[in-house]
Amino acid sequence: GENVEQHPSTLSVQEGDSAVIKCTYSDSASNYFPWYKQELGKRPQLIIDIRSNVGEKKDQRIAVTLNKTAKHFSLHITETQPEDSAVYFCAAISYNDMRFGAGTRLTVKP
Amino acid sequence: EPEVTQTPSHQVTQMGQEVILRCVPISNHLYFYWYRQILGQKVEFLVSFYNNEISEKSEIFDDQFSVERPDGSNFTLKIRSTKLEDSAMYFCASSWDQRGYEQYFGPGTRLTVT
Repeated sequence: GENVEQHPSTLSVQEGDSAVIKCTYSDSASNYFPWYKQELGKRPQLIIDIRSNVGEKKDQRIAVTLNKTAKHFSLHITETQPEDSAVYFCAAISYNDMRFGAGTRLTVKP
Repeated sequence: EPEVTQTPSHQVTQMGQEVILRCVPISNHLYFYWYRQILGQKVEFLVSFYNNEISEKSEIFDDQFSVERPDGSNFTLKIRSTKLEDSAMYFCASSWDQRGYEQYFGPGTRLTVT
């Protein structure tokens, strides 16, 4: 089955700085890569996704990149704000089976 | 904006008891999922469901688990004989897409097995 690795496990940045979270996946059949933000005690919230036929996607301050050859994808958050503080999970879908990375706890210090 | 809902928000049960966790997916979604998250750990896929059949299931989803769509709105996860290690947050999700794209999660049910 699919195995998703995510790094770093924790990330602390100053407000206004950029944050980058990286994931790798193992199954070349995976074709969809969402990112979820989870605040403490809340549901995972879909914030952005990318499909296997696209290399990059941007939505305001967040962007995702995908390198299918290397089987890795990344989340980039620019101009971070304290409200960006949360746990971020990457995921990969293969045959309707979504597997998550272990999560990155992002702390944005004011 | 429509959301996935789940009940109860918290369920406490004794080891060996059966529990049923309930979900109401977004109304025009046809693909449904259950996940679990042990405290402080990653979200783990349990099962996907479409047209009254299981589409995919993980190694976690053993014979103790079952899913059902008993009516036009509810989607349930049953754990037949709970174990201590079943204690976790259980999330339901739904999608309009048969490939599982754009899954939206419910608020979760915290299951505590004592």
